[in-house]
Amino acid sequence: GENVEQHPSTLSVQEGDSAVIKCTYSDSASNYFPWYKQELGKGPQLIIDIRSNVGEKKDQRIAVTLNKTAKHFSLHITETQPEDSAVYFCAARTGANNLFFGTGTRLTVIP
Amino acid sequence: EAQVTQNPRYLITVTGKKLTVTCSQNMNHEYMSWYRQDPGLGLRQIYYSMNVEVTDKGDVPEGYKVSRKEKRNFPLILESPSPNQTSLYFCASSRIGSANEKLFFGSGTQLSVL
Repeated sequence: GENVEQHPSTLSVQEGDSAVIKCTYSDSASNYFPWYKQELGKGPQLIIDIRSNVGEKKDQRIAVTLNKTAKHFSLHITETQPEDSAVYFCAARTGANNLFFGTGTRLTVIP
Repeated sequence: EAQVTQNPRYLITVTGKKLTVTCSQNMNHEYMSWYRQDPGLGLRQIYYSMNVEVTDKGDVPEGYKVSRKEKRNFPLILESPSPNQTSLYFCASSRIGSANEKLFFGSGTQLSVL
């Protein structure tokens, strides 16, 4: 099946700086790449997603880029705020409904 | 409110004592899935179901059972729990249709097996 690798596992940034989380996937047939944010004590929530026919997608302070040739995609958060502190998961889907998740990145935004 | 509801939120049990974690969704989703979350390992799929009476193994199915008798419910059963099943469990659901159907998660069940 699909193998998704995510880096870094932890990331600390100063408030107002940008944060970047990177993921790679193994199955070239994967066509959907969501990002989830998990706050303490809660389930993961979708924050942004991208399909394989799109190279970049932006929603306010967050953006996702996809490089199909290199099989990697990234999450970019600009002007970080303390409420951005959470665990972030990338995922990839190939055809059917199963999502394969990365191992997560714990982002800490230092006020 | 559209949601995935898991119960209980916290569960402490002993080795070998059968338990069930319930999951229910009110969005009429065909697809439901169980994941376990462990430090450094991310979310790993245990079992999934594409519709009523249709279930299949995920990446880590050993020691677990599921059933899908009704569309809204997808319970996770541990017939004889062991300490290595201590974990944070999530149920999730989505529609089936296009490749970018969004997956909705429950709030999680923290299980400790002593």
